[in-house]
Amino acid sequence: EAQVTQNPRYLITVTGKKLTVTCSQNMNHEYMSWYRQDPGLGLRQIYYSMNVEVTDKGDVPEGYKVSRKEKRNFPLILESPSPNQTSLYFCASSLVGGNSNQPQHFGDGTRLSIL
Amino acid sequence: QKEVEQNSGPLSVPEGAIASLNCTYSDRGSQSFFWYRQYSGKSPELIMSIYSNGDKEDGRFTAQLNKASQYVSLLIRDSQPSDSATYLCAVPSGYSTLTFGKGTMLLVSP
Repeated sequence: EAQVTQNPRYLITVTGKKLTVTCSQNMNHEYMSWYRQDPGLGLRQIYYSMNVEVTDKGDVPEGYKVSRKEKRNFPLILESPSPNQTSLYFCASSLVGGNSNQPQHFGDGTRLSIL
Repeated sequence: QKEVEQNSGPLSVPEGAIASLNCTYSDRGSQSFFWYRQYSGKSPELIMSIYSNGDKEDGRFTAQLNKASQYVSLLIRDSQPSDSATYLCAVPSGYSTLTFGKGTMLLVSP
């Protein structure tokens, strides 16, 4: 089954404790992206990757890191999480990026709470 | 910053009615447009895409695009309570990103 898989689905942690949210897709998609979704602010892009070893900042990259060593994986790293990073996070992928006729496919989301 | 605007709602319609959801966008160069449905706490799910001016129908859903007016809409015919969700309009920004509107909440009452 074609899918985008995120782990963990839920995480409660404390300020400053490094964490990684994994994202994997099995559709051989080139483009992958991370979003956060907050009430009243909608979906905001954190980072995206056009292909292996190619990543770039989205609208809200502060406090996050990403890597794209393999085509299928695009982990999101919070080196020193803070309470303002409490949010619902989505990973998404598409065949190619941006202004093409390719929609994005979303993972099930990770609900992250930083105390 | 490319803008995608939607009325936040909620838009309330009775079961069986037509729900009309609207979206305006700022980038005149946009070529493709997407509608996603998102149930509370769930991930966005693609329901329609449209690339040419005019109407595109898929079952109970019709997407309408007017590039001159920078306007895209989604009509849901014979609305069902299961259609109650937030509907997100999404428009590519340049080559590398997809900008989402904040979504319109639709409530369909039995």
